[in-house]
Amino acid sequence: SQTIHQWPATLVQPVGSPLSLECTVEGTSNPNLYWYRQAAGRGLQLLFYSVGIGQISSEVPQNLSASRPQDRQFILSSKKLLLSDSGFYLCASDINYGYTFGSGTRLTVV
Amino acid sequence: AQSVTQLDSHVSVSEGTPVLLRCNYSSSYSPSLFWYVQHPNKGLQLLLKYTSAATLVKGINGFEAEFKKSETSFHLTKPSAHMSDAAEYFCVVSDPGGYNKLIFGAGTRLAVHP
Repeated sequence: SQTIHQWPATLVQPVGSPLSLECTVEGTSNPNLYWYRQAAGRGLQLLFYSVGIGQISSEVPQNLSASRPQDRQFILSSKKLLLSDSGFYLCASDINYGYTFGSGTRLTVV
Repeated sequence: AQSVTQLDSHVSVSEGTPVLLRCNYSSSYSPSLFWYVQHPNKGLQLLLKYTSAATLVKGINGFEAEFKKSETSFHLTKPSAHMSDAAEYFCVVSDPGGYNKLIFGAGTRLAVHP
């Protein structure tokens, strides 16, 4: 079965600082990978998805970027954080409708 | 395009009474539908999923959902609420035309009172 490791669990960053959230997957190969964000009081919004190494699709324009340097590694980044980037970020993987979610990172931009 | 509408943002029930969380979907394909639960400061847990097999799907913790194509609905039910059921619930549809990405409803917060 798939396992997702996501870190850190919580993060407090000042406005204008860079961001790097990492997600790694075990127990599968060539998964579809996803980054979701949940803003306070709202549902989850898909930010990026990837169907393979180096292949990234963005769902919404924003201050964030994603990269997939290895098959089972998915990274969410920002060069300069905004207050509006605060939220709960979830990494997910999918093999044949077998979705697995990471435990999430709660990011607070101050 | 796929979309999901959760008809209630908040539902409040008494312990021991039935739970009904409503969800309608829109899909150009035969959909795969899911219900996820999120307890405070926790990740997402899959309750149940429908992938074109039996229309009545049984999940964990006594929850079940019925896929009704004619009504484009996938409502979540439980006969008797427990205090530990208090959480946020998400109805989700997958987009097979979009690399299986999940499209989430806005969520329903379930409160359970003694």
